[in-house]
Amino acid sequence: GNSVTQMEGPVTLSEEAFLTINCTYTATGYPSLFWYVQYPGEGLQLLLKATKADDKGSNKGFEATYRKETTSFHLEKGSVQVSDSAVYFCALRDNNAGNMLTFGGGTRLMVKP
Amino acid sequence: DARVTQTPRHKVTEMGQEVTMRCQPILGHNTVFWYRQTMMQGLELLAYFRNRAPLDDSGMPKDRFSAEMPDATLATLKIQPSEPRDSAVYFCASGEDGMNSPLHFGNGTRLTVT
Repeated sequence: GNSVTQMEGPVTLSEEAFLTINCTYTATGYPSLFWYVQYPGEGLQLLLKATKADDKGSNKGFEATYRKETTSFHLEKGSVQVSDSAVYFCALRDNNAGNMLTFGGGTRLMVKP
Repeated sequence: DARVTQTPRHKVTEMGQEVTMRCQPILGHNTVFWYRQTMMQGLELLAYFRNRAPLDDSGMPKDRFSAEMPDATLATLKIQPSEPRDSAVYFCASGEDGMNSPLHFGNGTRLTVT
C-alpha cells in the first residue's frame, strides 16, 4: 500500500534560518505529491504541489521538488519567519489507490525570534 | 474564496450521547473525505465519498460511526453512542476527483466526550 514518511519533530529554528523537512513516499502507482500546513486551531491548507517527476512546487517562499529516483519530496525554505510556525504534512494522491490522499505523520516547526 | 464549512466548531457531550457533525463541501467538488486527528494517531481517514456514494469507510468503527451524504451540499458523520476515546478533531475535506487535485479542508469539529 501507499505510505508517506516525514522526519519527526519538533523542528526548532531561529528566525531567518534555513528549513528542510524531509519526506519520502512509497506508492504503487505514479502519485501526485502535496505539502499542507496546519496553523493552530485551523484545518489543513494546501501549501504546494507537484504532479510529475522533477516538478518543483513553490509558494510563500517554500519549495519542494518531486524526486522519483529517491521517492522524495523534501520541503525547503531559505529564511523562515516566526509566522511559519505550524505543523507541516506531506501527502500523496494516487489513482491506483482510488485517489485517496495519504498523509505523513506531520512535522511541527517552531521558529523563535 | 470558496471554503468547506463544518459545524459545530466545538462539541462537548457525555458518554453515550449521539453526536452529529456536518459538512458543506465546496460547490462543484464531487469527492468528500472525513478525517480524524489526534495527538497519538495523527490524521486517520474515516470515510471517502465520490459523487455522494461511499467508496471507502474501512477506517471507521462500524458499530458506532456512520457517514452519509444526503445531498451534494451536505455530508454528515454520526457517532452513536459516543465514547471518551472518540474525543478528537474531525475534519471534512472536499475536492475534485483526480490525483492532481488537492483537497480543501474545513476548520474541523473539536469533539470532547466526557
